[in-house]
Amino acid sequence: NAGVMQNPRHLVRRRGQEARLRCSPMKGHSHVYWYRQLPEEGLKFMVYLQKENIIDESGMPKERFSAEFPKEGPSILRIQQVVRGDSAAYFCASSLAGDNEQFFGPGTRLTVL
Amino acid sequence: EDQVTQSPEALRLQEGESSSLNCSYTVSGLRGLFWYRQDPGKGPEFLFTLYSAGEEKEKERLKATLTKKESFLHITAPKPEDSATYLCAVQAATGGYNKLIFGAGTRLAVHP
Repeated sequence: NAGVMQNPRHLVRRRGQEARLRCSPMKGHSHVYWYRQLPEEGLKFMVYLQKENIIDESGMPKERFSAEFPKEGPSILRIQQVVRGDSAAYFCASSLAGDNEQFFGPGTRLTVL
Repeated sequence: EDQVTQSPEALRLQEGESSSLNCSYTVSGLRGLFWYRQDPGKGPEFLFTLYSAGEEKEKERLKATLTKKESFLHITAPKPEDSATYLCAVQAATGGYNKLIFGAGTRLAVHP
């Protein structure tokens, strides 16, 4: 049973470009969470999604960031007009139901030049 | 405000030297407390979930315990392969749906 998959593993963007991060949850999981880990900081919650619905986006910046989890295909975290401060590791997690354990993917490390 | 504090920030042990990591939390009703292990360049790996004070969980050399204000991760006779960052997270019963609130972690180094 494959775990949570994220791609790309590493992404380099120049300031002003767009970054698209993809996450495929574990088989059978319909709840997806995105977290950001800044250098030397802890993991911070960004957004919680179920299929075709955003449940909680309280941790996601209101400007430039968006997330989706379509009926078919992976969840996407999109960052428009990236700035250097967006450089971080972005982790996706999935769970069977809302209050079960969350299992994390390997992360996407975004570097903004 | 819901908050998780882990101590120490870093811990160096000799192989076989047992110790404990602390996780103190302030949360508006605890739904669950989670321990993860994170190796450099990788995602967090799930270890334990604790739900109520007095609960204990064990896995190999690791044992997690929970009180109303804190959790401990006890490491018995550690080996070099136990070296990692250990993360504690809580899930609040109100307001935050299912998000995890993480502490900054404890970096553990076990030397032969």
